[in-house]
Formats: sequence, C-alpha cells, structure tokens
Amino acid sequence: EPEVTQTPSHQVTQMGQEVILRCVPISNHLYFYWYRQILGQKVEFLVSFYNNEISEKSEIFDDQFSVERPDGSNFTLKIRSTKLEDSAMYFCASRTFRDRVGAEAFFGQGTRLTVV
Amino acid sequence: EDQVTQSPEALRLQEGESSSLNCSYTVSGLRGLFWYRQDPGKGPEFLFTLYSAGEEKEKERLKATLTKKESFLHITAPKPEDSATYLCAVQPYNTDKLIFGTGTRLQVFP
Repeated sequence: EPEVTQTPSHQVTQMGQEVILRCVPISNHLYFYWYRQILGQKVEFLVSFYNNEISEKSEIFDDQFSVERPDGSNFTLKIRSTKLEDSAMYFCASRTFRDRVGAEAFFGQGTRLTVV
Repeated sequence: EDQVTQSPEALRLQEGESSSLNCSYTVSGLRGLFWYRQDPGKGPEFLFTLYSAGEEKEKERLKATLTKKESFLHITAPKPEDSATYLCAVQPYNTDKLIFGTGTRLQVFP
C-alpha cells in the first residue's frame, strides 16, 4: 500500500542551526502539506503546496521556514535558524484532490525534531 | 473562528463495552470532516471522511456519523488493539488546511 515516507525519524539539532526535513509523498498525489504537533498539543497546519508553489500558510510559517519540491518525488521543509520552540513532531501529508473523492490526506510517520 | 472540540479527553473501556466519541465543530462552511487514528509517536492514520449531514461511514468496529454541528465515532465491542488517540479534523471551504481537535485518548482493557 502506498505511503508517505519521512526522514529522518528523529533529529537533534542545536539552537540556531538549519535543519531540513524530508518527505516522499504518495506518487500520484498533487497536494502536499506540512503539519506539526508539539508534545501533548493538537496537530497544527503549517503550509500547503500545489503546482510547485505555496498555496496557503499559517502564522507559524514565518520567514524561518521554507518548502521545496526539488524533484518529482521529494518534498522538503527547511527551518533556517532553529529555536527551542521549534521542537515538535513534524508530519508531511499528501492528497490527490482538495474536494470529495481523493480528498483524504495521508500522513507520514513524522520526524521528531529536538532543538537543544 | 473555525474550531474543533473533542470529548471526552480520555476514555477507558472494558473490552466489548461500546461507546461514542464526540467531535463538535464550528466552521464557516464545511468542505469535509475527517477522522484519524494516532498511535503514540506515529502519524495520523486515515479512517473516514464525511461530507454531508446525515452521512455515515463504517469500518470494522467503527462507525462515523455527521450532523450540522457535530460528528460521532461509535465504537462497537472494542478490543485492546483499538486503544489509540482518535483525532477529528475539519476542512473549511476556501482553504486547504485541516483544523484538528485535541483528540480522545481511548484505552480498552481486556
């Protein structure tokens, strides 16, 4: 069964360092997303990406964050200068369509980012 | 403001003891309501999508229903392997994003 794959599963980084989280969405999906979940809190939307550009972003997704689809299969989230409060589980998701059939988003297993 | 509230926060059931989880939502216009299961340290696993009031979906011991203000996830004769956090999310019109509730942590004891 097709699945969304994320690497690494766990990343520890020092405050101020840049990190890149990687995702391989399901191959025939068109819409790509990053969400995050701070420990014990709800899953929060960060950004959506369609047709090689950002279609929507949240207030959390400030200038420190960027996304890229460098080739036909990978989708990355970059945090330029990490802060302690960036520590969270980051989930990549993808879906075929936005509406009706195929609208369900499938999530990866997540990357646990720990900023020290 | 679009909002999702789930109750109860936690639920402990004996194996075979049926119950329901509630998801109340306030949204400007509903494109879809989604139920996910999340195991500790894992990503949300898709269960159901509901689009219209009155709609119902079933899968094994789970059944999801939708009204104009809330959704229920009914669990019939649960087993210990059903233990997980169940997340509800809504997608409003004119947006790509899912808005999640805080989830209901379900524990089923043998």
